Amino acid sequence: GENVGLHLPTLSVQEGDNSIINCAYSNSASDYFIWYKQESGKGPQFIIDIRSNMDKRQGQRVTVLLNKTVKHLSLQIAATQPGDSAVYFCAENPSGTYKYIFGTGTRLKVLA
Amino acid sequence: KAGVTQTPRYLIKTRGQQVTLSCSPISGHRSVSWYQQTPGQGLQFLFEYFSETQRNKGNFPGRFSGRQFSNSRSEMNVSTLELGDSALYLCASSFGNEGNEQFFGPGTRLTVL
Repeated sequence: GENVGLHLPTLSVQEGDNSIINCAYSNSASDYFIWYKQESGKGPQFIIDIRSNMDKRQGQRVTVLLNKTVKHLSLQIAATQPGDSAVYFCAENPSGTYKYIFGTGTRLKVLA
Repeated sequence: KAGVTQTPRYLIKTRGQQVTLSCSPISGHRSVSWYQQTPGQGLQFLFEYFSETQRNKGNFPGRFSGRQFSNSRSEMNVSTLELGDSALYLCASSFGNEGNEQFFGPGTRLTVL
């Protein structure tokens, strides 16, 4: 991805283990959130979204948790695979706007 | 259906020149957003267009501008290029309502020498 590891938090996980990537968002008025995955040389890829009226949403091997009280999002990846290695971003959509604010990203490294 | 496409994929310019980047959204999407991505600043929002109108703007200087056409295709222009404008420029499209899924293109990598 574009965010070089010098400034990017990195999570190293053994293949087959579960991964948890965290994100603190900034705007208490945000009511829609997206997790993206970005592989090197590619644009961000939509993974899963969640609205503020939910606290959990599940997809295929992924679960997003939302804690509005502390403005925290997490992405859980079950049975992490080498293909999951990428930079992961959370994005928030403040209510009343049509723009998304992105977190700094977390690099996930899957160890064989 | 086809995803978001961006052209060109790579571009090299020199300081002082200007550049135009193009984005074609997913069919049916009417909103196009532009972002600048750099190692130091991450993903920064530039602006968003819907039905040929700019609805949102980020904190970038006036050298950065954009427009959207009636077919929802969008262009962004950067005039008087500076070295610091070297970045990956990403566009994303959505249906344009609040809380709509937003999908990204592959980006245009701009290098300013």
